Amino acid sequence: EAQVTQNPRYLITVTGKKLTVTCSQNMNHEYMSWYRQDPGLGLRQIYYSMNVEVTDKGDVPEGYKVSRKEKRNFPLILESPSPNQTSLYFCASSLSAGNWETQYFGPGTRLLVL
Amino acid sequence: DAKTTQPNSMESNEEEPVHLPCNHSTISGTDYIHWYRQLPSQGPEYVIHGLTSNVNNRMASLAIAEDRKSSTLILHRATLRDAAVYYCIPRLSGSARQLTFGSGTQLTVLP
Repeated sequence: EAQVTQNPRYLITVTGKKLTVTCSQNMNHEYMSWYRQDPGLGLRQIYYSMNVEVTDKGDVPEGYKVSRKEKRNFPLILESPSPNQTSLYFCASSLSAGNWETQYFGPGTRLLVL
Repeated sequence: DAKTTQPNSMESNEEEPVHLPCNHSTISGTDYIHWYRQLPSQGPEYVIHGLTSNVNNRMASLAIAEDRKSSTLILHRATLRDAAVYYCIPRLSGSARQLTFGSGTQLTVLP
């Protein structure tokens, strides 16, 4: 089954403790991205990757890192999480960056930073 | 970026058609119009997209105005499962930033 998976689905952590949220897709997609969703602010893009070893900032990249060493994986790294990074995170992928492409979203990771 | 205007909320009765409008008056000629929806506690889900012509798929129809300044998503027979937030998103050509979500339309389906 074609899908985007994220782990963990739920995470509670404390300020400053490094964490990684994994994202994997099995569709051989070139393009992957991360979004966060907050009440009243909607979905905002954090980082995106157009292919292996090619990443770039989205609208809200501060406090996050990403890497794209393999085509299927695009982990989101919070090196020193802070309470304002408490949010719902979604990973997404598409075949390419073309504006006709369909984005496929993962189920989400709910993060609480204390 | 192309700006969109959607109603904050709409209601529909089950098994009746629903027309969800979107204004995108600043859209350019090569920007595709995408619609996504987000069911409660789930990630966004693709619904349909088009450029100039009306489009149909198993989920919905998309009617695009001739001047492309507006579009309408049509759910032919709403079900309770269609209750979601619906986002109209112009996808800019030449931009790798992908989807820019607005606030969308909260659709309530009444039994």
